[in-house]
Amino acid sequence: NAGVMQNPRHLVRRRGQEARLRCSPMKGHSHVYWYRQLPEEGLKFMVYLQKENIIDESGMPKERFSAEFPKEGPSILRIQQVVRGDSAAYFCASSPGTDYEQYFGPGTRLTVT
Amino acid sequence: KQEVTQIPAALSVPEGENLVLNCSFTDSAIYNLQWFRQDPGKGLTSLLLIQSSQREQTSGRLNASLDKSSGRSTLYIAASQPGDSATYLCARQNTNAGKSTFGDGTTLTVKP
Repeated sequence: NAGVMQNPRHLVRRRGQEARLRCSPMKGHSHVYWYRQLPEEGLKFMVYLQKENIIDESGMPKERFSAEFPKEGPSILRIQQVVRGDSAAYFCASSPGTDYEQYFGPGTRLTVT
Repeated sequence: KQEVTQIPAALSVPEGENLVLNCSFTDSAIYNLQWFRQDPGKGLTSLLLIQSSQREQTSGRLNASLDKSSGRSTLYIAASQPGDSATYLCARQNTNAGKSTFGDGTTLTVKP
């Protein structure tokens, strides 16, 4: 059983471009969580999704950020019109349900130039 | 607000020393408490997971305890080695909420 997969591992975007980060959960996991780690800071929760539903987006910035977890395929975190402050490591985690351990992916490191 | 605090923010010890990292949290509605290791520029390595019904977990030189009543968890590292140098994060997962809340971490340096 492969672990949580994230791609790309490293992503460079110029200011104003769009960034798309992908997360494939572990097999059998229908719950996905996205976290962001800004430089020299801890991980902060962004959004919690189940298949085709956003359950909790209390940590998502109000503008430019969106997330989806379609019925088929990976979860996508989309950042439109990126700015330098979006440079961070973005981690996703998956679990089979709410009261289960989360398993973390290796992260995507976004650099905005 | 559910917060997780880790003290100290940084710790430097000589090789061979036993050490304790602290994690405190508000709100006792905790499902589990997990300790991670993060090397610079890398992902998270899960070290120990303590369910709310448990009091401690051990793996090799590591021992983690959980005291829900006082809102504290400790990670004990025995006979520290330079390879233990990393940032250690604790994270609490709340019951019925799914998401985890992380502390800002303790950066450990073990000097040879």
